[in-house]
Amino acid sequence: SQTIHQWPATLVQPVGSPLSLECTVEGTSNPNLYWYRQAAGRGLQLLFYSVGIGQISSEVPQNLSASRPQDRQFILSSKKLLLSDSGFYLCAWSPGQANQPQHFGDGTRLSIL
Amino acid sequence: AQRVTQPEKLLSVFKGAPVELKCNYSYSGSPELFWYVQYSRQRLQLLLRHISRESIKGFTADLNKGETSFHLKKPFAQEEDSAMYYCALSEKGGGNKLTFGTGTQLKVEL
Repeated sequence: SQTIHQWPATLVQPVGSPLSLECTVEGTSNPNLYWYRQAAGRGLQLLFYSVGIGQISSEVPQNLSASRPQDRQFILSSKKLLLSDSGFYLCAWSPGQANQPQHFGDGTRLSIL
Repeated sequence: AQRVTQPEKLLSVFKGAPVELKCNYSYSGSPELFWYVQYSRQRLQLLLRHISRESIKGFTADLNKGETSFHLKKPFAQEEDSAMYYCALSEKGGGNKLTFGTGTQLKVEL
């Protein structure tokens, strides 16, 4: 069966420091991969998605970037964190076929000090 | 642009009462809709999808294209139904992107 792993679970970083959040999927090939930010009362905001290695689509302009160095690995990064980057980040995957549901990781709680 | 609206941030019902979580959408094509649920301290998970026309944990949701709605219903609420519920709309085209509503917190009281 397919599983998704996301780490770390929590992270506290100073303003201006770099960021790297990692997400990996097991048990499937060529999945679609997603990064979301979840804010209380505002639902889930899609940040990036990828349909294949090296293919990244950005949904909103921001201080973050994403990369997909391997088929089942998706990384969320920043060179210099801002206070406004604080939040709860979720990784998700779906099969490559159309109209398939997404499956979510446990999330990372990021606090910027 | 497509949009999903969940008008209620919080819905409080008594155990055994009927539940209806509202979801309205705007979309120019034929929609593919989902309900996701997040129980306390658990990951967000798929509850059901309209194309399956199934009942999961006693919940059902019918797509009403005329009213552009996909309300989630259960005839008798249970305490374990307390959770955050999100309605989501899948975009056509590549990527299986989802547009989520802002969510409704369901609280089932004894």
